[in-house]
Amino acid sequence: DAKTTQPPSMDCAEGRAANLPCNHSTISGNEYVYWYRQIHSQGPQYIIHGLKNNETNEMASLIITEDRKSSTLILPHATLRDTAVYYCIVRDFMTTDSWGKLQFGAGTQVVVTP
Amino acid sequence: NAGVTQTPKFRILKIGQSMTLQCTQDMNHNYMYWYRQDPGMGLKLIYYSVGAGITDKGEVPNGYNVSRSTTEDFPLRLELAAPSQTSVYFCASSPTRDSSYEQYFGPGTRLTVT
Repeated sequence: DAKTTQPPSMDCAEGRAANLPCNHSTISGNEYVYWYRQIHSQGPQYIIHGLKNNETNEMASLIITEDRKSSTLILPHATLRDTAVYYCIVRDFMTTDSWGKLQFGAGTQVVVTP
Repeated sequence: NAGVTQTPKFRILKIGQSMTLQCTQDMNHNYMYWYRQDPGMGLKLIYYSVGAGITDKGEVPNGYNVSRSTTEDFPLRLELAAPSQTSVYFCASSPTRDSSYEQYFGPGTRLTVT
């Protein structure tokens, strides 16, 4: 699976949009981009995923560049409860040896301030 | 649905002791996983299972064993505990590979080996 690069930390003001970048320059055609987050002392929580089109759900939006080498997770109106580590993960769902395994990197520590 | 439950929440072991971390899911998911997370790091996959009776090694399996006799349960066994196994352990489950691959995580077990 392709590796990802994320900034180690970023701050965001409460009520503003948080834009979290992720670089995955070696992504292949069968690999999805997934975002999870982990609030302190809790298990990771799924946020969103996409292949090449932009995606939106009740939690966030995912913008994937046309060449698919990078993506941005957007939290439209950050709240204090969004303070967490955010993980960008790419994985290939077509090969049998993937079996749903997720490879977590160090992620981005997002701190939302009042 | 309770989702993914883990017991115990906390445990302190002496070097050389053994224990079993319990994991149960009530979502009828075929796929189950065990991860460990060391302080300040991302999650690393220990073992996974694609169904009852089928298990396989992940990235860091040494010092651990698993079994999967039912769809619901996926216990992780530590034999001869070592200080290097001090970590937070997360169990997760997901539907079959034709789904969105969202993984549902339990709350974790915090293990200290002294």
